[in-house]
Amino acid sequence: QQKVQQSPESLIVPEGAMTSLNCTFSDSASQYFAWYRQHSGKAPKALMSIFSNGEKEEGRFTIHLNKASLHFSLHIRDSQPSDSALYLCAVSRNTGNYKYVFGAGTRLKVIA
Amino acid sequence: EAAVTQSPRNKVAVTGGKVTLSCNQTNNHNNMYWYRQDTGHGLRLIHYSYGAGSTEKGDIPDGYKASRPSQENFSLILELATPSQTSVYFCASGTGVATEVFFGKGTRLTVV
Repeated sequence: QQKVQQSPESLIVPEGAMTSLNCTFSDSASQYFAWYRQHSGKAPKALMSIFSNGEKEEGRFTIHLNKASLHFSLHIRDSQPSDSALYLCAVSRNTGNYKYVFGAGTRLKVIA
Repeated sequence: EAAVTQSPRNKVAVTGGKVTLSCNQTNNHNNMYWYRQDTGHGLRLIHYSYGAGSTEKGDIPDGYKASRPSQENFSLILELATPSQTSVYFCASGTGVATEVFFGKGTRLTVV
């Protein structure tokens, strides 16, 4: 059974800082890796995803994937108070059953 | 924007009672999912479905049943509700290929 773990559990950073969130997974056959963001009292919403090793940048957000290390991360450049939320990583296989397994989340607070 | 609607949004149930949570999606997605979210556990998969008439057990199915009578509707049924099932429940839908899943706004269930 896939195990997905996130670190740290919570994080407080000043506005403008670089924020780094980590996710490790156990199933080496995983092929889809994503980050979801959930503001307080709201539904989770997909932020960005990656399929192959390397990095992908979208605006202030960068996702890094290292399949050999069973690890991927999310980096937020120039963190803003509006980035304050619960960040969930998600992993699934691309074939067979499309089960998305989520981590427990990292709660980020960006202070002005 | 994909639309997933859950009802009710809030529910108080008595121990031993039957509870039905409903989910409707207008995205014509094949896959639908039920998750529960508890502090420290993130999103945990209860049941999922590949299409009308199909249901599959997720990672924590005990105490829950699911029903997918049509492409659009997916229900989660608690035959004998217990206080340990107090949680926030999210329904989600996806295309079946490893891409973004879209979440409903959640149902807060309290079992007293």
